[in-house]
Amino acid sequence: GDSVTQMEGPVTLSEEAFLTINCTYTATGYPSLFWYVQYPGEGLQLLLKATKADDKGSNKGFEATYRKETTSFHLEKGSVQVSDSAVYFCALSVPRTGNQFYFGTGTSLTVIP
Amino acid sequence: EAQVTQNPRYLITVTGKKLTVTCSQNMNHEYMSWYRQDPGLGLRQIYYSMNVEVTDKGDVPEGYKVSRKEKRNFPLILESPSPNQTSLYFCASTKRGTGLSGANVLTFGAGSRLTVL
Repeated sequence: GDSVTQMEGPVTLSEEAFLTINCTYTATGYPSLFWYVQYPGEGLQLLLKATKADDKGSNKGFEATYRKETTSFHLEKGSVQVSDSAVYFCALSVPRTGNQFYFGTGTSLTVIP
Repeated sequence: EAQVTQNPRYLITVTGKKLTVTCSQNMNHEYMSWYRQDPGLGLRQIYYSMNVEVTDKGDVPEGYKVSRKEKRNFPLILESPSPNQTSLYFCASTKRGTGLSGANVLTFGAGSRLTVL
């Protein structure tokens, strides 16, 4: 079945460090891929998305490239800030008649000054 | 403002006392879904609805009921809550389709923290 596997946390980085959070997926058909972010005490919100192979999603300095050959959608940021501390969820959507959304288990990121 | 509204945001109740968590969206979305979030387990889907009067089980439906009588509302019902249903609950919605702007991007509510004693 369809699923998403993402890097387990928690991850702790110093400010201005490079961030990578790994995400791989299994899907039938042609999924869209997403990263959602959950700031403390809030609901999830879309961070970025990519809808087809080789697309790069980007937002707030974060990037992820849809790699069909490796079934991956790794999240990266070149220089993290304290305000990036949050939980990050990788997700996929496969258009079909039934349920179509699948989430990873989330990766908690803490950035220390 | 386009949003998903959940109520209550916080609730403490006792075992066996029926409760309903409401969810309403103002975006005319077809798809709505309930998730629970627990430490170490991430986000798990409880129920989803593809449209009015169409609902189906997610990964962890036991102990929950839902209904979808109107497009905008998707309440989550706990008929006889138990302590293992203590969790943070999220409602989400999206419009379905391919090639449509915003399609398949979930909008989440702010969450409802439920404690069952």
